[in-house]
Amino acid sequence: KAGVTQTPRYLIKTRGQQVTLSCSPISGHRSVSWYQQTPGQGLQFLFEYFSETQRNKGNFPGRFSGRQFSNSRSEMNVSTLELGDSALYLCASSSGQGAFPEAFFGQGTRLTVV
Amino acid sequence: GQQLNQSPQSMFIQEGEDVSMNCTSSSIFNTWLWYKQDPGEGPVLLIALYKAGELTSNGRLTAQFGITRKDSFLNISASIPSDVGIYFCAGQIQGAQKLVFGQGTRLTINP
Repeated sequence: KAGVTQTPRYLIKTRGQQVTLSCSPISGHRSVSWYQQTPGQGLQFLFEYFSETQRNKGNFPGRFSGRQFSNSRSEMNVSTLELGDSALYLCASSSGQGAFPEAFFGQGTRLTVV
Repeated sequence: GQQLNQSPQSMFIQEGEDVSMNCTSSSIFNTWLWYKQDPGEGPVLLIALYKAGELTSNGRLTAQFGITRKDSFLNISASIPSDVGIYFCAGQIQGAQKLVFGQGTRLTINP
């Protein structure tokens, strides 16, 4: 079974630009969650999509948005990039229902804003 | 919002020592999960716990789901250099679909 795939692995952008990150979950999983991790920090929850609907949302500004497609693949967009957006962005895939909530992470996208 | 308090935040130990870390919350959890993250990579699931009092091992790792359902601990025995990384606890609060993560424990091992 293929794992969670995030693309690209690395990205360098300039302040003010926008960026789109992609996440392909494990086959059969309907939930995709996104997290931001800055150096030395924990996992800051951005949002979760389940069956194409945003089900949970963290405390991030509206510049951070996402969507999920019918095949469960998800994209995350950050507009008007700021230096502080430099981070490792992780997505996690899970079934999204039932008694087994285990989430499986991708390798992440390292975003650097210059 | 719901919080998981994970401690310690960091540990510096000698190779061969045992390690213990824990997570506590004021909320009741249905599931506890423990992850390990290597530098620059995504967290990897180590152990999943589903029942209060459950004790589960994975090699040199042992984790327990607290009887009160509000805490969990992870022990690593006879640490080796590849145990270095950040360990996260996570839990699913009763009645919620969302996972909540602890702030992580950074483990450093001196050879």
